Amino acid sequence: AQKVTQAQTEISVVEKEDVTLDCVYETRDTTYYLFWYKQPPSGELVFLIRRNSFDEQNEISGRYSWNFQKSTSSFNFTITASQVVDSAVYFCALWANRDDKIIFGKGTRLHILP
Amino acid sequence: NAGVTQTPKFRILKIGQSMTLQCTQDMNHNYMYWYRQDPGMGLKLIYYSVGAGITDKGEVPNGYNVSRSTTEDFPLRLELAAPSQTSVYFCASRPGQSYGYTFGSGTRLTVV
Repeated sequence: AQKVTQAQTEISVVEKEDVTLDCVYETRDTTYYLFWYKQPPSGELVFLIRRNSFDEQNEISGRYSWNFQKSTSSFNFTITASQVVDSAVYFCALWANRDDKIIFGKGTRLHILP
Repeated sequence: NAGVTQTPKFRILKIGQSMTLQCTQDMNHNYMYWYRQDPGMGLKLIYYSVGAGITDKGEVPNGYNVSRSTTEDFPLRLELAAPSQTSVYFCASRPGQSYGYTFGSGTRLTVV
């Protein structure tokens, strides 16, 4: 069975600090995709990244970076030099082979304090 | 490109009333989904569809019905609304299995 665990329910950091959101996944399939979504206080769900199981290269997009490690079944998300606008709930998600739906973690609520 | 459009954005229902939440997408996506998100909680799958004429239950289907007569539209029907159905409802779509979802902006429903 597929599962996504975001053990950090809520995190608070002071602006300009770096912060890492953890995501651990479970699947028996060798072909799968991992995703991160952002839900700001306005409520919409915004797609951030999609990564397939055959590509373990880390990805960087501005202040955002993602660390994919198959050995630990983790797909962690780091925000560098955090800003107040980064305050949101962040969801990690998994799609594994043949499934018709994506499995979401319960989300991590991130507070960036000014 | 409108993406995924949900209507209405807000609605207040009385207990026992019925309503339909509309969802339409203009991206020719085969896969469509309905989720609910209770306050401070994660996403729970209500129903989904892998193509026109095909629907299937998610983890919380009770009290809801769906239909998928066209590729574009995937309405969610609430029959006999209950306070437990107070939630934010998100519709989503994607073109294929390995792709991420494109979400609509949500419908905030309150049942009183």
